[in-house]
Amino acid sequence: KAGVTQTPRYLIKTRGQQVTLSCSPISGHRSVSWYQQTPGQGLQFLFEYFSETQRNKGNFPGRFSGRQFSNSRSEMNVSTLELGDSALYLCASSLEPGRVAFFGQGTRLTVV
Amino acid sequence: GESVGLHLPTLSVQEGDNSIINCAYSNSASDYFIWYKQESGKGPQFIIDIRSNMDKRQGQRVTVLLNKTVKHLSLQIAATQPGDSAVYFCAENKGGTASKLTFGTGTRLQVTL
Repeated sequence: KAGVTQTPRYLIKTRGQQVTLSCSPISGHRSVSWYQQTPGQGLQFLFEYFSETQRNKGNFPGRFSGRQFSNSRSEMNVSTLELGDSALYLCASSLEPGRVAFFGQGTRLTVV
Repeated sequence: GESVGLHLPTLSVQEGDNSIINCAYSNSASDYFIWYKQESGKGPQFIIDIRSNMDKRQGQRVTVLLNKTVKHLSLQIAATQPGDSAVYFCAENKGGTASKLTFGTGTRLQVTL
C-alpha cells in the first residue's frame, strides 16, 4: 500500500506570491492533517480535515488555508508568502480522527 | 536577525547498547501518545503508540512506558543499531477524536560504532 504522497517535494517562491501544496493520503484514510516544521518552532499543527470539513485549526494566520476533496486528497494554500514561511510542510493521514497518523515526506518550501 | 533553532538534546549510544529517550508531556488530559522517528530529509515515521489506559507497550525492539503521575513518557530501544540514528519525537493528542498532535522538541540519537 502506497504511503502518504506530497507534491511537490521542493518549491522556491518569492515573497508576496502564493503557493499550493498537495497531499494524497494512504488509500482508505479519510483524515488529513497538516504540520509546519521549522528549526525555530519545531513541528506545529496547522489544520485537520475529515469528510471535507476542517475540524481543527492551529494558531496560524488566515494566510494559511486548506481544503479536502471527496476522495480525501487535500491541499493547503499559503497566500502573500513571507520569508518566515520557509519550512518543511508535512501532511499526515489517518483512518479517522484520533487514530495513528502517518506522515508523508513533506514539501520543502523556501521563500526568497 | 539570526534565527535561533530549538536546542535538540543529543543521546549518544554505542551500537548494541539499549537506548532510553525521555519525554515530558504537558497536558494531563492527553489520552494518546505516539513516538516518531525522523531521519534527515524525511517525514516523521511512526514507531509506536500508547493510550493513557496503559502504562507499557512493546513493539519490535521498542518499548514505550507511560507514567501519568509525573506526565512522563519514555522510549526504550533494545540493541541499538546504526540505522536507529535519527531525531525522535514524542507527540500527544489532547483527548477526544481530534488528530491534532502536539510534538515535543525532539531528541537526537547518535549511534556510535
